[in-house]
Amino acid sequence: EVQLVESGGGFVQPGGSLRLSCAASGFAFSSYWMIWVRQAPGKGLEWVADIKPDGAERHYLDSVKGRFTVSRDNAKNSLYLQMYSLRAEDTAVYYCATGAWFGEHWGQGTLVTVSS
Amino acid sequence: DIVMTQSPDSLAVSLGERATINCKSSQSVLYSSNNKNYLAWYQQKPGQPPKLLIYWASTRESGVPDRFSGSGSGTDFTLTINSLQAEDVAVYYCQQYYNTAPYTFGQGTKLEIK
Repeated sequence: EVQLVESGGGFVQPGGSLRLSCAASGFAFSSYWMIWVRQAPGKGLEWVADIKPDGAERHYLDSVKGRFTVSRDNAKNSLYLQMYSLRAEDTAVYYCATGAWFGEHWGQGTLVTVSS
Repeated sequence: DIVMTQSPDSLAVSLGERATINCKSSQSVLYSSNNKNYLAWYQQKPGQPPKLLIYWASTRESGVPDRFSGSGSGTDFTLTINSLQAEDVAVYYCQQYYNTAPYTFGQGTKLEIK
């Protein structure tokens, strides 16, 4: 059974940093593209970033370019999202999901709150 | 970026009836080289992550009931739910994955029971 478990969310002040993790199990993690999608409270879904199985290719939402970095450790079956210079508008539940284009399997999400 | 617009924003349908949700993209998501529409549909129930229902505009994900169907091509797409069940109450999103990232979502359609 595919399992994705996000962690690392929390409360951070504007300008702060946070590192999200996504622990994967139940599938060949090293063979899959992975994505991060976020959802602000009461709002819709927003695609944030993706990463190729070998980590050699990554894409980002324009508003997070230069502030967020997606990475992975295939030996640890883990996906990461390093977030810097956080803004209030980054407040959201962050989901990791499998898939090159669309999200096939999703984690339960981790909440990031950016506020002073 | 491609803008996805869903209609309506919300709808209420009686149990056993049909629900129809529309999704329009600001440019075609049909790849002529393989004749595939790069369009997916998701269902999200309160407090849960999204669930993939449909990809390639009309291919049902494994385990999804056949009362869910997707249709359309180019810029106009439809998600149809036949014989609405109580458990179908959710917010539904379309998403395009054409060309390169970012792969944008529609704003969502909230489906309720009348």
